[in-house]
Amino acid sequence: AQKITQTQPGMFVQEKEAVTLDCTYDTSDQSYGLFWYKQPSSGEMIFLIYQGSYDEQNATEGRYSLNFQKARKSANLVISASQLGDSAMYFCAMREGRRLAFGKGNQVVVIP
Amino acid sequence: DGGITQSPKYLFRKEGQNVTLSCEQNLNHDAMYWYRQDPGQGLRLIYYSQIVNDFQKGDIAEGYSVSREKKESFPLTVTSAQKNPTAFYLCASSPDRDRVWYGYTFGSGTRLTVV
Repeated sequence: AQKITQTQPGMFVQEKEAVTLDCTYDTSDQSYGLFWYKQPSSGEMIFLIYQGSYDEQNATEGRYSLNFQKARKSANLVISASQLGDSAMYFCAMREGRRLAFGKGNQVVVIP
Repeated sequence: DGGITQSPKYLFRKEGQNVTLSCEQNLNHDAMYWYRQDPGQGLRLIYYSQIVNDFQKGDIAEGYSVSREKKESFPLTVTSAQKNPTAFYLCASSPDRDRVWYGYTFGSGTRLTVV
């Protein structure tokens, strides 16, 4: 069964606008970690932000913030003030114990 | 600088050949992982290793083999039994094999094409 769901189609975003990428997850564990990674066309996976299941505050890292709604099992990524360099695939991932599982990703294209 | 080095960046394989993808890390991480990525798909776990001389199958291990003789090295062999090996392969490592607040550090990937 798929553990991480990212269902949005590819998105076009105007430069300087904010964009929200949806992620829902499925787990019965109490302790887990949620991560977002960025993958530009070069292929490398770049860590963006982390949210722990016990964290009460939403995580923020610069222009990235994570809207964590535990009861809904939702961990949406918000990118504020989009830049052209934000054009990439974005992956939501969940770590339960020893393994990190990924969603299928969201394609974001920032247009000037 | 510490990191993960994958080589080669591009690899071409003839049908029926075995090929080995290299992954080396100098981060002193205990755990290492191999993922496969196909277009339109997320990353799928092939194999992972928590300590030297030990490794476990992931979700799509058929047609692949690994070894972990040194802490810093985790090579992946794509065997002729893998029916559709053309894909992008990513190696990753983590400092802790159990704690969920540790994410993974990734290499830059190897793109394998069967010709």
